[in-house]
Amino acid sequence: DTGVSQDPRHKITKRGQNVTFRCDPISEHNRLYWYRQTLGQGPEFLTYFQNEAQLEKSRLLSDRFSAERPKGSFSTLEIQRTEQGDSAMYLCASSPGQLHPQHFGDGTRLSIL
Amino acid sequence: QQQVKQSPQSLIVQKGGIPIINCAYENTAFDYFPWYQQFPGKGPALLIAIRPDVSEKKEGRFTISFNKSAKQFSLHIMDSQPGDSATYFCAAREGGKLIFGQGTELSVKP
Repeated sequence: DTGVSQDPRHKITKRGQNVTFRCDPISEHNRLYWYRQTLGQGPEFLTYFQNEAQLEKSRLLSDRFSAERPKGSFSTLEIQRTEQGDSAMYLCASSPGQLHPQHFGDGTRLSIL
Repeated sequence: QQQVKQSPQSLIVQKGGIPIINCAYENTAFDYFPWYQQFPGKGPALLIAIRPDVSEKKEGRFTISFNKSAKQFSLHIMDSQPGDSATYFCAAREGGKLIFGQGTELSVKP
């Protein structure tokens, strides 16, 4: 499978715990994007990288959220001190460049108990 | 603020029918308009996309109609099949990010 890969697919955690998700983009895609999708809504942009540089962050990305792409390949999204409102599907997408289509992974579904 | 408005929220058609999903936008800086299909438990999959200098694009059974002056675009699915039952999202690109509509849940009855 050469598509965007996300791990884990599901994460259940207690409120207040920290969680980390991983995204492996399609090979040689230098742009990587994170979105969040809640039930019945369209995905909402969180942040994106070109290679290892984080170029834009949404106001949705509070101080508890941090994303990295240290070597310009895979990316991690960490949520600290999780809250009930963080329950959502976290989607990762990648593209070869700005003017190219974004291809999505199947997401990580986060449930906060 | 909803930058991309999508309607209807849900749609039921008979097999062979032509469902039409509409989207409207305000931001003239948007430069690319894709449509995604999403099945339960899966990520959005790119269906078809159009740039604002083109008024229509067809790929297989899927057609996008684009009206730049009205800031509206729509997806038509020809000869719809039960396997097309899914949620459809329009989107618009601004800089590096996509802004999505709220989605349309399509059900195609046999």
